[in-house]
Amino acid sequence: EDKVVQSPLSLVVHEGDTVTLNCSYEVTNFRSLLWYKQEKKAPTFLFMLTSSGIEKKSGRLSSILDKKELFSILNITATQTGDSAVYLCAVGRETSGSRLTFGEGTQLTVNP
Amino acid sequence: KAGVTQTPRYLIKTRGQQVTLSCSPISGHRSVSWYQQTPGQGLQFLFEYFSETQRNKGNFPGRFSGRQFSNSRSEMNVSTLELGDSALYLCASSPATFSYNEQFFGPGTRLTVL
Repeated sequence: EDKVVQSPLSLVVHEGDTVTLNCSYEVTNFRSLLWYKQEKKAPTFLFMLTSSGIEKKSGRLSSILDKKELFSILNITATQTGDSAVYLCAVGRETSGSRLTFGEGTQLTVNP
Repeated sequence: KAGVTQTPRYLIKTRGQQVTLSCSPISGHRSVSWYQQTPGQGLQFLFEYFSETQRNKGNFPGRFSGRQFSNSRSEMNVSTLELGDSALYLCASSPATFSYNEQFFGPGTRLTVL
């Protein structure tokens, strides 16, 4: 059974801090790892990573995948209160179509 | 491009009733997946439909079923509702080449079972 573990489960920081969120996984026939941001609504797609060692960036957010050690990190620099959300990590298999297995999520709170 | 739409957004039912939820994917997307999100279990995969066929199925009882129409719109049905079915039901669409995992979520339907 596929497994995705995120840490920490909860994190409280001050505006301007840099945070690193972790995601480790065990999945058969791995194809991709995805990060989503969820506020009080549907998850919003952030990144999809398929290749090891290649960083994806979007503004203050970046993510990298290590397929050898089976983990990914999501970095957020210069955090803002608008970054407060649950960050979800999910993995997809090579042979499972669009099916994703999600982790529990990391609840990030950014205080002013 | 319009995003994924789901109707209704909120629903209140009583135990034993049945419910049908609807999802319209992003134009051109052929795969629709359904997920259940609860505080205790997180996001769990229900099933995926592609070209009107169920392509994947999660570990949910047979009370949960779905279908997809020729225009890629999908419906999900839950029969004989139980209290534990109270959850946010999310639909996600994908362009879906066979092993394409990127998905875009709709706003969800919040189902409350009393």
